[in-house]
Amino acid sequence: QSALTQPASVSGSPGQSITISCTGTSNDVGAHNYVSWYQQLPGKVPKLIISDVFHRPSGVSNRFSGSKSGNTASLTISGLQAEDEADYYCTSYTGTDTPWVFGGGTKVTVL
Amino acid sequence: QVQLVESGGGVVQPGGSLRLSCAASGFSFSNYGMHWVRQAPGKGLEWMTFIRYDGTDKYYVDSVKGRFTISRDNSRSTLYLEMNRLRVEDTAVYYCAKDRAPGYSSSGNLDDWGQGTLVTVSS
Repeated sequence: QSALTQPASVSGSPGQSITISCTGTSNDVGAHNYVSWYQQLPGKVPKLIISDVFHRPSGVSNRFSGSKSGNTASLTISGLQAEDEADYYCTSYTGTDTPWVFGGGTKVTVL
Repeated sequence: QVQLVESGGGVVQPGGSLRLSCAASGFSFSNYGMHWVRQAPGKGLEWMTFIRYDGTDKYYVDSVKGRFTISRDNSRSTLYLEMNRLRVEDTAVYYCAKDRAPGYSSSGNLDDWGQGTLVTVSS
């Protein structure tokens, strides 16, 4: 099972919106609405910020939103803030005997 | 609140073995599936293995199949990872994480993570 494809880095200015893509295949992202997104702040433990494509867990800022089209899921951060500088990872259910796979991660930089 | 505390990491030679533990508290451990995820130094996250709430089903990433074994003791609220025939490329921080869905379901939404334990495989 290959890792999902994410851009290595995305940057934006404070207040802007940025979108991180997560591209899989018709067997994983395209076949199931089980895409999650995690934020990992520098030196910290990953935190779940989006579940099941677009659901936001309690306590997660509404500046984070998720969506999916075909084999590509996306995470949008609106109103970008300095505190959003982190690595972001997507993961998807694959329906195989290796049920989950992560994306390679995207480093978000706030200019 | 939920607490997951990993232990058992350390330095081991290639070919060696190690057993990681993850002590859980603050939730009904026996009701939730559990995952191990690892992160090599400076690299991304890698999903490794999952065990259902009752231990009936286990899944592994291809790179550890036949070498690693996940298990749990619900009476002790503890998750384990037995690692054998370790390779240099297994060097990573190993996190245990709780699946968000209770019972038989396994959502793959990991809503609580431990702080991780570092495993270094080196001669």
